[in-house]
Amino acid sequence: GENVEQHPSTLSVQEGDSAVIKCTYSDSASNYFPWYKQELGKGPQLIIDIRSNVGEKKDQRIAVTLNKTAKHFSLHITETQPEDSAVYFCAATLNFNKFYFGSGTKLNVKP
Amino acid sequence: EADIYQTPRYLVIGTGKKITLECSQTMGHDKMYWYQQDPGMELHLIHYSYGVNSTEKGDLSSESTVSRIRTEHFPLTLESARPSHTSQYLCASSGQGGTQYFGPGTRLLVL
Repeated sequence: GENVEQHPSTLSVQEGDSAVIKCTYSDSASNYFPWYKQELGKGPQLIIDIRSNVGEKKDQRIAVTLNKTAKHFSLHITETQPEDSAVYFCAATLNFNKFYFGSGTKLNVKP
Repeated sequence: EADIYQTPRYLVIGTGKKITLECSQTMGHDKMYWYQQDPGMELHLIHYSYGVNSTEKGDLSSESTVSRIRTEHFPLTLESARPSHTSQYLCASSGQGGTQYFGPGTRLLVL
């Protein structure tokens, strides 16, 4: 089955700086890669996603890049704000069946 | 905003009791999932269903059972709760060609 690795496990940045979280996957057939943000006491919420036929996608301060050859994808958050502090999870799936999650990154944005 | 609901949100119960965690969604999604998550940690798939009367065990062995009699409803049952079952349980659903949406979770504490 698919194996997703996520780095770093914790990330601390100053407000206004950029944050980058990276994930690698093992199954080259995986074709959909969502990113989730989980705040304390809540379920994960989708923040951005990318399909395998696209190399980059951007939504305001958040962007995701995908390198299919290297089998890795990254989340980029620019101009970080304290409310960006949360745990972020990447995931990979083939045809939206089982989703395989990374181990999570705890992002702390210091004011 | 995803229309997926979980009850109860918090449950404290004694060892040996039978419990059922409820999950329902109003989006007509065929696929539903149960994950177990310790706070801030990675998500472990324990059960999934691709439609009515279809249930499968996930990657993490669990003593819980599930049923899928109606499309919108996917309850999880523990016949005899133990302290090792203490965790957060997250329900999710996805439609055809769509990503997963998560409920708010149930925090279970078994004394």
